[in-house]
Amino acid sequence: NAGVMQNPRHLVRRRGQEARLRCSPMKGHSHVYWYRQLPEEGLKFMVYLQKENIIDESGMPKERFSAEFPKEGPSILRIQQVVRGDSAAYFCASSPRDGDGYTFGSGTRLTVV
Amino acid sequence: QQPVQSPQAVILREGEDAVINCSSSKALYSVHWYRQKHGEAPVFLMILLKGGEQKGHEKISASFNEKKQQSSLYLTASQLSYSGTYFCGTESFNRDDKIIFGKGTRLHILP
Repeated sequence: NAGVMQNPRHLVRRRGQEARLRCSPMKGHSHVYWYRQLPEEGLKFMVYLQKENIIDESGMPKERFSAEFPKEGPSILRIQQVVRGDSAAYFCASSPRDGDGYTFGSGTRLTVV
Repeated sequence: QQPVQSPQAVILREGEDAVINCSSSKALYSVHWYRQKHGEAPVFLMILLKGGEQKGHEKISASFNEKKQQSSLYLTASQLSYSGTYFCGTESFNRDDKIIFGKGTRLHILP
């Protein structure tokens, strides 16, 4: 089992460009979560998805950010028109069902220059 | 609401014990504990469900007092490999199925 796969590991974007972060959950896991982490800070919840459904996006900024988890393929976190403040590590996690522990991916480190 | 962890940082010598606390202002359904090493992904340690249970994982154990909305992580006879940042994550009693993490406790073990 390959675990939760995130790519790319590192992503550099210029201000105004788009960033696409991908996450393939563990096999058999239908719950996907995205978190953002700034240096020396905790994990901040962004969005919770199941296949083809956004369950909770209360932690995601209303503008420029979107997420999807299509029937086929990985979950995508999309950030449009990136700004310097978007620079952070973005972690994806998955779980097989409600109430289970999460398995985290290795994260995507986004740097906006 | 984000749970509050204490202390913020701990420095121990190998073999010493540590306790990390996590408290919430909201009624909780579960508490999760994770450890993250620098530059790596957080790793799941254990989950505690309402009912005041205590769980163990090697020499790391935890308790959950649902009435006080508090959990504690106990590290016994710490090893160098225990170094890292420990996060508690809480799921509220209304079962909204997402975990909110505390800011973390940095643990550094000296040889």
